[in-house]
Amino acid sequence: AQKITQTQPGMFVQEKEAVTLDCTYDTSDPSYGLFWYKQPSSGEMIFLIYQGSYDQQNATEGRYSLNFQKARKSANLVISASQLGDSAMYFCAMRGTGRRALTFGSGTRLQVQP
Amino acid sequence: DGGITQSPKYLFRKEGQNVTLSCEQNLNHDAMYWYRQDPGQGLRLIYYSQIVNDFQKGDIAEGYSVSREKKESFPLTVTSAQKNPTAFYLCASSQYGGPGSYEQYFGPGTRLTVT
Repeated sequence: AQKITQTQPGMFVQEKEAVTLDCTYDTSDPSYGLFWYKQPSSGEMIFLIYQGSYDQQNATEGRYSLNFQKARKSANLVISASQLGDSAMYFCAMRGTGRRALTFGSGTRLQVQP
Repeated sequence: DGGITQSPKYLFRKEGQNVTLSCEQNLNHDAMYWYRQDPGQGLRLIYYSQIVNDFQKGDIAEGYSVSREKKESFPLTVTSAQKNPTAFYLCASSQYGGPGSYEQYFGPGTRLTVT
């Protein structure tokens, strides 16, 4: 079974500052993928970034980077230079080798303050 | 434009009625998924389909049914057996493959309210 844990129900950050959203995972699959999605108040799910379990380098996509620490089973999302439009729910998710569907965490609500 | 459409955006039903939520994709993806989201919570998998005419139960399939007669369509029926059907329902699709970077694309969701 796969499990994703996001321990921060809510986070505040000042505009233009960086913020780290925590994610830990548990799986027995030898190969897996980790994803981060953003959900604005409209409800749509927006894909942000992906990290494969065998990727040697941490993934980056623009202002988003994923701090992947395999031994600690953590996949934290770092958002640099926060913008007001970053205010949303953020979900960490994973996919293993057995089931192709994603397993999601409970999410972190990020609020960016001017 | 390629994407996933779900209709309607808001749906209201009386208790005891079955209701079908539509999901259509033109991304030529093999796999499609249905998730349920309750307020303040993450997404939970209801059903998924990796290929036409085949589908698998997810973690919370009781009270739901699906069909996959066409590659682009994956409708979800919420039956009267579902004890607490009021929720936000999201449909997604992806290429079918290993755990690699085949991210799931999501539709805009249907908010179902049953009274």
